[in-house]
Parts: sequence; C-alpha cells; structure tokens
Amino acid sequence: GAGVSQSPSNKVTEKGKDVELRCDPISGHTALYWYRQRLGQGLEFLIYFQGNSAPDKSGLPSDRFSAERTGESVSTLTIQRTQQEDSAVYLCASSFSLHQETQYFGPGTRLLVL
Amino acid sequence: AQTVTQSQPEMSVQEAETVTLSCTYDTSESNYYLFWYKQPPSRQMILVIRQEAYKQQNATENRFSVNFQKAAKSFSLKISDSQLGDTAMYFCAFMKRGNQFYFGTGTSLTVIP
Repeated sequence: GAGVSQSPSNKVTEKGKDVELRCDPISGHTALYWYRQRLGQGLEFLIYFQGNSAPDKSGLPSDRFSAERTGESVSTLTIQRTQQEDSAVYLCASSFSLHQETQYFGPGTRLLVL
Repeated sequence: AQTVTQSQPEMSVQEAETVTLSCTYDTSESNYYLFWYKQPPSRQMILVIRQEAYKQQNATENRFSVNFQKAAKSFSLKISDSQLGDTAMYFCAFMKRGNQFYFGTGTSLTVIP
C-alpha cells in the first residue's frame, strides 16, 4: 500500500507566523512519530502517538510546538510564532504498533522561517 | 540516557569496493534494537537493516551486513560491492522496546565511479 505521506513538502514562512504540518501514516499503523532534522544533523525526537493513549510529548522543544492525531489516522504538527531556529526538515514516521520496532518514514516537510 | 555515536562524518568508497561505517552506543538496557537507516538526497529515510540485541547472529540484507558487538556496544554496517545508488547519509539508531528512537549524527557516504 501507500507509504507515509507528508504535506506540504516545502514551507516558507515569516518569523512569528503559525504553521501546520500534516502527516498521513500507513493505513493500519497505530504508532506515529514526529522528528526534527536540522541541517547536517541527525533526527531529534519530538512526539509520538500510540492508539488512543496519551501522547509522549517529552521531545517537544517548547510550548510553541503541539501535535494532534485523530484516532489512528492523520496527525498535524503545529508550530506557533515560528522562529528562525525552527527551520528544519520535519519527518513523520509510523509503525504497526508501539512494539513493532521498525518505523517507516515519510519524505518530510522542509520548513524555512525567514 | 541513550546515546548513539557515529564518529565518521564523511566517507567515500570506490564503486564495487567494500566500506564499513561505524556506530557505537551507550545504554544500560539489555533488550533493545539497532537500526541503520539510509537517507539519500531525496530525503526519504529508508530502513537498511535491523538487529535485535538478544540475537547473537549478525543481521544480513543482501549487500548489507552488520557487525554487532554487544559487549563493546558497537554496531557497524558493512556495504559490499558498493553501488552508486548507495550514496546517501547513513544513520545508526537505537530503540528500546516501546520507546522512541535515538539517532546518531550520520555518516555521509559517497560512492565514486
């Protein structure tokens, strides 16, 4: 079936504006993860969702970052009052369950804050 | 805390040759999983190979194999018969069961024709 999809693929915004990034996981995958990847660096965990359980938000860098997920489908990552240091690629991944260790990644959204 | 270290920021290899990418990690866990992911310029993260810590046998996937040394907390990736399509960033990752991934900073591999 289709892989993980993310939209938009690229987003340019002005400092101070809010942005919403979308992730569509693989159908049937109950676990969903968001990561941030700054230029030339590895992946930084942000948040994960597992079914209807409370999400693990321990990686969110500030209260400007929030994420929601509707059931076991689409997730949105919202960044309020964007700052230049928020510029990065935001990657979403899903797995069959929290205990299915292999994650499948989307192509990412490249965010540039001017 | 779990940390993953990739000490080789950049590497290159001639086409058809073999190259080994190194990865070390630090954990107090006894049961965990290790992964190598590949990220080509397209940005798509692709799973290359995975290893369960409780398995002594090294994982192999076609031209890709790992050398897993649990006591040394080392997890290197060997790419045999390198191909131009292997050019990418390679990330080593650690995962405790039921938790998030911890990624290394990556190794940029260039395959030279």
